[in-house]
Amino acid sequence: DAKTTQPNSMESNEEEPVHLPCNHSTISGTDYIHWYRQLPSQGPEYVIHGLTSNVNNRMASLAIAEDRKSSTLILHRATLRDAAVYYCILRDPNFGNEKLTFGTGTRLTIIP
Amino acid sequence: GAGVSQSPSNKVTEKGKDVELRCDPISGHTALYWYRQSLGQGLEFLIYFQGNSAPDKSGLPSDRFSAERTGGSVSTLTIQRTQQEDSAVYLCASSFGGQEREQFFGPGTRLTVL
Repeated sequence: DAKTTQPNSMESNEEEPVHLPCNHSTISGTDYIHWYRQLPSQGPEYVIHGLTSNVNNRMASLAIAEDRKSSTLILHRATLRDAAVYYCILRDPNFGNEKLTFGTGTRLTIIP
Repeated sequence: GAGVSQSPSNKVTEKGKDVELRCDPISGHTALYWYRQSLGQGLEFLIYFQGNSAPDKSGLPSDRFSAERTGGSVSTLTIQRTQQEDSAVYLCASSFGGQEREQFFGPGTRLTVL
């Protein structure tokens, strides 16, 4: 699987937008970009995924660079509940391997 | 509807004993996955089921680990002759399958081997 690089940690003030970056310079043309997050003492939960175009859902937005070598998860208005470890994961639909390969992720701290 | 459930939520065992961890996936999900997360470590893939078969067992760390899935539903992860390094949170996830499909995770079983 292609590798992703994320900052180890980030801080943000409550009720402000948060931009979580992910670099994936070796991404292949068929790799989807998935984001999961893990709240304290819980299992991971899906956040969003995309291929080329920017994506929005009720939880977040995903901005994908034109060359697809990087992406940014955007939380529009952070709340204390958004404090979690955020994982950026590449998945190849043609690879036939369904597992998620988690890196170290970004630990997001929200400051009240 | 109910999410993925796992039992027990906590398990304390003595070194050398066998343990069984259970996962009830979301109804209708054909794919089931086991992961584990050791203290301070990342999430590590163990095994993937599609229906009752396991096309990918590459993450099982040793032959002391095995898993089965029956009726395309419930799965059991068995660890024989537990060791202290097996202490971790064991997470189960399920999905409809396919690389675009999101995986839904259970709350995990925290295993402590004394």
